[in-house]
Amino acid sequence: EVQLLESGGGLVQPGGSLRLSCAASGFTFSSYAMSWVRQAPGKGLEWVSAISHSGISTFYTDSVKGRFTISRDNSKSTVYLQMNSLRADDTAVYYCAKHNSPVPNWFDPWGQGTLVTVSS
Amino acid sequence: ERVMTQSPATLSVSPGERATLSCRASQSVSSNLAWYQQKPGQAPRLLIYDASTRATGIPARFSGSGSETEFTLTISSLQSEDFAVYYCQQYSNWPFTFGPGTKVDIK
Repeated sequence: EVQLLESGGGLVQPGGSLRLSCAASGFTFSSYAMSWVRQAPGKGLEWVSAISHSGISTFYTDSVKGRFTISRDNSKSTVYLQMNSLRADDTAVYYCAKHNSPVPNWFDPWGQGTLVTVSS
Repeated sequence: ERVMTQSPATLSVSPGERATLSCRASQSVSSNLAWYQQKPGQAPRLLIYDASTRATGIPARFSGSGSETEFTLTISSLQSEDFAVYYCQQYSNWPFTFGPGTKVDIK
């Protein structure tokens, strides 16, 4: 069974940093692209960042470019999201999601999410 | 950026009735479209990918159709567990984008 377990969320002040982790199991991690998707409280879904199976290719939504960095460690079956210069509008539940191929496509499955709150 | 819109915003349906949800893309996404279901407090779940292919374990009452810019998710006979929010998502072009969602609630 595929499992994705996010961690690293919490309360951070504006301008601060957090690193999210997503530990994967139940599949050959190095064969699949991964993404982070977020959902602000009471709002819809927003794709944030994706990384190819090898880690060579990365993709970001415009609002996080230059502030967030996605990476992966295939030896640890873990994908990361380093978030710097955090703003109030980054407050959201952050989901880790697996793609169905080495390059990003649809999201399946999703982790349970980790809450990031940016507030002073 | 492909802007995704969904209609209606809320759909009130009685159990056993048919529900038809629409999704529109601002430019063609070919058949690179997925549908997700999200219940309160839960992560989204994939229902449909490639516009019309049911994901593993998804009941046959869920079906998807469409291509290019117009897509439909149909739930043939609503069960109690189907009341939720449904999102469409395109993966044709970067950035990947979601529609705002359609909430299906009990009439």
